[in-house]
Amino acid sequence: NAGVTQTPKFQVLKTGQSMTLQCAQDMNHEYMSWYRQDPGMGLRLIHYSVGAGITDQGEVPNGYNVSRSTTEDFPLRLLSAAPSQTSVYFCASSYDNSGANVLTFGAGSRLTVL
Amino acid sequence: DQQVKQNSPSLSVQEGRISILNCDYTNSMFDYFLWYKKYPAEGPTFLISISSIKDKNEDGRFTVFLNKSAKHLSLHIVPSQPGDSAVYFCAASPTGTASKLTFGTGTRLQVTL
Repeated sequence: NAGVTQTPKFQVLKTGQSMTLQCAQDMNHEYMSWYRQDPGMGLRLIHYSVGAGITDQGEVPNGYNVSRSTTEDFPLRLLSAAPSQTSVYFCASSYDNSGANVLTFGAGSRLTVL
Repeated sequence: DQQVKQNSPSLSVQEGRISILNCDYTNSMFDYFLWYKKYPAEGPTFLISISSIKDKNEDGRFTVFLNKSAKHLSLHIVPSQPGDSAVYFCAASPTGTASKLTFGTGTRLQVTL
């Protein structure tokens, strides 16, 4: 059972480039989300989805796009990378968005924007 | 405005002793609290949780205490083991909604031999 799989693990971009961070889960979870972790800031929610075709913004959505065409996949797109987007990104999923939720996290994707 | 605060960035404890990690929150709407543990180069993993109707929850060596009047929770690890060395994140949400989960900044625990 793979759980939550994130690719790539590491990426270096130049300012202005675009890229997509991939996230896939094989647990048939309805809820998926993206977080970024920065030093001294904890984990902050970027975007989330409560099911296929439904997405919403979290705390820090600017500069990122998401879509949820299938239950399994929740890619995060950086439209025009900026140095402020240098961070470690975590994808997470859970059975649903309610009740005593336990998020399952991927191993993370470390992004550096030069 | 940091609604969930972990004021100790790091903590060092000897093997076999008790580790106490603290967390304070400001949002009185929070009623579900969780602790996650994170090893380097891995994602956070769920450790233990507590709802606001309780003041204590225990799971093996891990116990979480909640003091609602003080808006404070703590994680006790007894006895501490070297494998417990990790970063611990406190998180809170209103009604347990995952999309409203707010994380603290983390405390790095080092358990020494």
